[in-house]
Amino acid sequence: GENVEQHPSTLSVQEGDSAVIKCTYSDSASNYFPWYKQELGKRPQLIIDIRSNVGEKKDQRIAVTLNKTAKHFSLHITETQPEDSAVYFCAASIRVTGGGNKLTFGTGTQLKVEL
Amino acid sequence: DTEVTQTPKHLVMGMTNKKSLKCEQHMGHRAMYWYKQKAKKPPELMFVYSYEKLSINESVPSRFSPECPNSSLLNLHLHALQPEDSALYLCASSPPGTSGRETQYFGPGTRLLVL
Repeated sequence: GENVEQHPSTLSVQEGDSAVIKCTYSDSASNYFPWYKQELGKRPQLIIDIRSNVGEKKDQRIAVTLNKTAKHFSLHITETQPEDSAVYFCAASIRVTGGGNKLTFGTGTQLKVEL
Repeated sequence: DTEVTQTPKHLVMGMTNKKSLKCEQHMGHRAMYWYKQKAKKPPELMFVYSYEKLSINESVPSRFSPECPNSSLLNLHLHALQPEDSALYLCASSPPGTSGRETQYFGPGTRLLVL
C-alpha cells in the first residue's frame, strides 16, 4: 500500500520567517495531495491541496509544489504568524473503486511560530 | 449546512458496554469515512462508504461495526471495546466523484475513553 513520509517532525521558526515541510510518497497511482492543519483538540482542516496534473499552487501565504517524477511534494508558508502554530499533515490520495478516495497521511509536523 | 457534525463530543464506556457514534452531513456528499486518531499521530482510515455501500474495511476488528443508513448519515457501533481503543474518532465526507481527487472534510470528532 501507499507509504507517506513527512519531515521534519518538529519545526520552530521566528515570526515572519518561512516554513517548509516535505513529504514523499511511494505509490505512483496517488493523484491528489491535500495538506491539513490540526490545532490541539480540533478537527483536521484543509489548508491547500494539489492535483497530480499541476506542479505548483499558491494561496496567499501558502504554496504547495509537487514533483511527480521524484514522488515528493512540499508545503511552503511565508511570513509565518503565531496562529500558524499547529500540527500539519500531508496526505496522498488514491481513488477507491465505486467512488471516494483513500487518504494515507504523513506522520505530521508540529510547527511552532515564536514571537 | 457546510459542515460535518459528530455526536457525542465525548464518550466514556466500559468494556462491556454498547454505544454508537453518529456522523451527519448535508452537503450532498456521497462518500463517508471513519478514521481513528491516537494522540500525536495521524488519522488512520478505518472504513469507507461510497453511495451507502461499504467499499473499504481496513481490517478493523469486528467490535467496530459501521452502518450507513442513508447518504447523509454514518454510524459506528461499538461493542466490547478494549482500553487501547481509546482515541479520537473522526468522520469525514467527500463530494461525489470517482477520480480519487475529491476533498475530504472532517467532523470535529468523538473523543472516546474505554475503561
